[in-house]
Amino acid sequence: AQSVTQLGSHVSVSEGALVLLRCNYSSSVPPYLFWYVQYPNQGLQLLLKYTSAATLVKGINGFEAEFKKSETSFHLTKPSAHMSDAAEYFCAATGAGSYQLTFGKGTKLSVIP
Amino acid sequence: GAGVSQSPSNKVTEKGKDVELRCDPISGHTALYWYRQSLGQGLEFLIYFQGNSAPDKSGLPSDRFSAERTGGSVSTLTIQRTQQEDSAVYLCASSSIGYEQYFGPGTRLTVT
Repeated sequence: AQSVTQLGSHVSVSEGALVLLRCNYSSSVPPYLFWYVQYPNQGLQLLLKYTSAATLVKGINGFEAEFKKSETSFHLTKPSAHMSDAAEYFCAATGAGSYQLTFGKGTKLSVIP
Repeated sequence: GAGVSQSPSNKVTEKGKDVELRCDPISGHTALYWYRQSLGQGLEFLIYFQGNSAPDKSGLPSDRFSAERTGGSVSTLTIQRTQQEDSAVYLCASSSIGYEQYFGPGTRLTVT
């Protein structure tokens, strides 16, 4: 069974600073991995996905994530935080041939002016 | 094109009442999913529909929960005899192929 761990329930960064949100997965086979963002009182919006092609995945709004099999990680980064990035971010995984998304607990990102 | 829509956006109900939550998936998407988001449990899978196949109900927390999908499109999640622990945001998602699930805005259910 899949499990997804997000380190840090709350991360604060200064505007213009690097954003790093951590995600580790537990799986016997390389999964499909996703990052979603949720703004207050809204649903989940897909930021990016990894489906066994390129290990460095670029998403929307300047975010990217790198799949590292040796570390079972899929950390999300953005070089320069913007105030509009303040939201909750969820890492999710599903296995090949599966469909059910397993989510991490989420990381709330605050951006300090 | 239009995204996934859900109604109502907010629902307040009394303990013991039944509620119905509706989801309209993206046109052409064959798969539809329901998830529940609560403070204590995070995001939990509830049920999955794919085409005309029997749904995967493995995530439904009790027999008070049921869902149907009519005509391969609109879905209704029904909670009977609501309890306070049912208070949560219920999210619907749909997908075609490629595992990308697109989520609706959710229905916030409050049981008083």
